[in-house]
Formats: sequence, structure tokens, C-alpha cells
Amino acid sequence: AQSVTQLGSHVSVSEGALVLLRCNYSSSVPPYLFWYVQYPNQGLQLLLKYTSAATLVKGINGFEAEFKKSETSFHLTKPSAHMSDAAEYFCAVSPRLGGNNDMRFGAGTRLTVKP
Amino acid sequence: DTGVSQDPRHKITKRGQNVTFRCDPISEHNRLYWYRQTLGQGPEFLTYFQNEAQLEKSRLLSDRFSAERPKGSFSTLEIQRTEQGDSAMYLCASSPKGQGLTTGELFFGEGSRLTVL
Repeated sequence: AQSVTQLGSHVSVSEGALVLLRCNYSSSVPPYLFWYVQYPNQGLQLLLKYTSAATLVKGINGFEAEFKKSETSFHLTKPSAHMSDAAEYFCAVSPRLGGNNDMRFGAGTRLTVKP
Repeated sequence: DTGVSQDPRHKITKRGQNVTFRCDPISEHNRLYWYRQTLGQGPEFLTYFQNEAQLEKSRLLSDRFSAERPKGSFSTLEIQRTEQGDSAMYLCASSPKGQGLTTGELFFGEGSRLTVL
């Protein structure tokens, strides 16, 4: 079974500050890991994904995430926050080998960016 | 290509009524998924189709819920005898052949919000 835990339901940063959104996963098989973003009144869209090619993954809008197997983590970072980054962010895991087709999402982290 | 579209965007109904949601996936995508999202939670998998075949259903999908994709294009999700606990955002997503939950990206619609009074 797979699951993800997102630490912190709300994160607030100042514009220009580092963004760090935490995600820890649990998986009985090698995982695929994803970060999705949901802007107000919009559907979820993919920010980036880890599919075993490289542990440091770069996504859209300047975000990146690093897969750390020893820490079972896949934290999302951005060096400098922009007002437009305010949104809800979801970490997700799905099995890479066998298993079912069930992608598990975390509860989400709402990012607020202060001017 | 206008992306995944869902209709209606909002539905308010009284307990005990039936409701139906429609999802139109991206045209060349053969996989279609339904998720439910409640306040403060991430999306929860309900069911998925490959073409017209419903390949998997979550135990969250009670007997009151039924999903169809008759021609492998659009899909409907019907909830019979709605209960207040059914109030949620119902999300539809699609993915092209060879991708999806185990390999790649899901393309989500904006969701259909259900409020059961």
C-alpha cells in the first residue's frame, strides 16, 4: 500500500523567500511521486514528477523536488516565492511495479505568499 | 483541445435526490478517472476506465454510485439517494494510452461541487 503525508496544512512565506513544502511517502514497492498544484477555482495540474530517472526533479514555475529514499521524502522547493505561487499543493504517490492503479494524494498544503 | 471539462460545476440538491455529473476528457485520452475531494483532504480515487471498460472501483464507491463511459468518450457519475456525506468536489481526470496512474500525468478537470442539503 502507498500513502503520503504532507507536513503542514498551511505554509506562509514572504514574497522572495524560500518555499519548502514537505512530503513523506510510504510505499511497499518503488514509487512514482508527483506534485500537483491547484489554483483557486481550477483543476489540479502537474508541477513535476519523479519516475526514477533522476533524484532531483525540476518542474514548472521554478519548482523542484528531490527524491530521498533514505528519508522517504519528496519535498518541494522554490528559491524565491512569487505572489502567483499562492495555491494548494498536493503530493501524490503511485506504485511503479505491479499493484493497483490507485494514486494516493496527500491532504494538501495551502501556500500563502505575503507581499 | 480545451482540456477536461466537467458539468455542472456546482450542484445543490436535497437529501434523497439523484444527481448526475458528466466528464468530457481530452479527446485522444483513452483513460478516464473519477476522484472525490472533501474539504481539507486530497483527492480520493473512486474509479477508472480504459476506453469503455471500467477496470477498477474503490470501496469508496458504494452501491449508490455508478459510473459509465458507454462509448469510450465522455463519462457520467450518478449518485442515487444522495446523503449529506456525499457533499464533496467530484474530480474527473484523463490520461493518454501508455500513461496514467502508474507512469505519468493525470489531466484534471475543474471539478463538480456537490452540496447535499
